[in-house]
Amino acid sequence: DPKIIQKPKYLVAVTGSEKILICEQYLGHNAMYWYRQSAKKPLEFMFSYSYQKLMDNQTASSRFQPQSSKKNHLDLQITALKPDDSATYFCASSQEILGSSYEQYFGPGTRLTVL
Amino acid sequence: AQKVIQVWSTASRQEGEELTLDCSYETSQVLYHLFWYKHLLSGEMVFLIRQMSSSTAKERSGRYSVVFQKSLKSISLVISALQPDDSGKYFCALWELPNTGGLSGKLTFGEGTQVTVIS
Repeated sequence: DPKIIQKPKYLVAVTGSEKILICEQYLGHNAMYWYRQSAKKPLEFMFSYSYQKLMDNQTASSRFQPQSSKKNHLDLQITALKPDDSATYFCASSQEILGSSYEQYFGPGTRLTVL
Repeated sequence: AQKVIQVWSTASRQEGEELTLDCSYETSQVLYHLFWYKHLLSGEMVFLIRQMSSSTAKERSGRYSVVFQKSLKSISLVISALQPDDSGKYFCALWELPNTGGLSGKLTFGEGTQVTVIS
């Protein structure tokens, strides 16, 4: 069974619209993350949450809002979509403790295309 | 400036050979970790191995091992006895202890090296 579920796998949106990317993890981890991979760029860290609280936000735009309704959920709401938002968005999770970091496990990604 | 650099964008070897993938990084932190991941065609990102800055042990996991040269800020992933399934894109990633002393979990990735194993 998949340990980290991301829905949908593919998403096409029009400029100006709003979408929510879903992520659920079943690894019992206390921390969850969002990364983005645009064409020909390395994975780029966006957000991290621990116990449903924001730990770090490296996203310049407020159009990207993470939402954590449950401990094992971290959805990503993107408003006023732009073509530049086209990318594959990866959710990840790990067991995080102060002063160290264990490996992060990644979901399969949601490929978003904004027309 | 890029913090994690993987110089080679592609690499290819014959099945059964050994391959070394290089990664250099920049950090001013004393405590940091380095990770290697493999990106599969299916889209899955698979964790391979971790190296802690504080560790002098030669990390190894199955056919994967690392060569960690801390003073040079360099880490290499060595894959032995290559198999066709080893084909994929390999990423080096850096975790640094945040200056704030809090939690972040942020990984900084290199651009990856696309590996092809020839049968």
